[in-house]
Amino acid sequence: AQTVTQSQPEMSVQEAETVTLSCTYDTSESDYYLFWYKQPPSRQMILVIRQEAYKQQNATENRFSVNFQKAAKSFSLKISDSQLGDAAMYFCAYRGGADGLTFGKGTHLIIQP
Amino acid sequence: GAVVSQHPSRVICKSGTSVKIECRSLDFQATTMFWYRQFPKQSLMLMATSNEGSKATYEQGVEKDKFLINHASLTLSTLTVTSAHPEDSSFYICSAPRASGGAFGEQFFGPGTRLTVL
Repeated sequence: AQTVTQSQPEMSVQEAETVTLSCTYDTSESDYYLFWYKQPPSRQMILVIRQEAYKQQNATENRFSVNFQKAAKSFSLKISDSQLGDAAMYFCAYRGGADGLTFGKGTHLIIQP
Repeated sequence: GAVVSQHPSRVICKSGTSVKIECRSLDFQATTMFWYRQFPKQSLMLMATSNEGSKATYEQGVEKDKFLINHASLTLSTLTVTSAHPEDSSFYICSAPRASGGAFGEQFFGPGTRLTVL
C-alpha cells in the first residue's frame, strides 16, 4: 500500500518570505501522480499543483513550485513571496492508476504579517 | 474548473437514523467518484470508490453495509450512512475525476458535508 508522510505538523513564515513544505511517499509503482492540495477553513479542497511521475521537470504554478526527487520519493512544495491568503492546511497526496487519493497528515501553514 | 456539488452541506441526526449525502458533477460526467472522510484536525481518508453501473469498492476497514453507495447516473453518487452513531460524526467529502488527455484525470472535490450524530 502507498503511504504519504508529511513530517511538519505546522510551519510558520513571515509574509513575503519563502517556505518549503516537505513530503515523502512510498510506492512500488512506476507511474503515478503527486499533488499538493490546500484546505482553507472553509474545508474546500483546492488543487495547488500536480506532478506526473514520468516527467523529470519540476512543476511550477506562479508562486508555487515543487522539488520532485523520484529516486528519493520526495515531493516538497515551495511557496515564494508568501501571502496572508496562503494560510491553510496543505496536504500532499498520491494517486496511482485509477485509484483514489492517499493523503499525508497535512501541514498547517501560518503566515506572520 | 469543473464543479462538484454536495447536498446537504451539514446535517444533524439522531442516533440510529439513516442519512443520505448526494454528490453531483455539474458540468461533466463521472463514471467514478470517490468518498472520503475527514475527522477533526485529521487528514482525508478514502472510504470507497463509487462506480457507475456497478458495485462500489470499499477500503479496508470500511463497513459496506453501513456506508451504502449508489452511483445511479454519470453525474450522481449517493452515500447513505445507515443506523448512524455518534462515532460516525465527521466531514464527508466526495471527488470526481474528469478524464483529460492522459490516463489520470484531475479530481475535483465537493465542498463537503458535515454530519453530526446526536
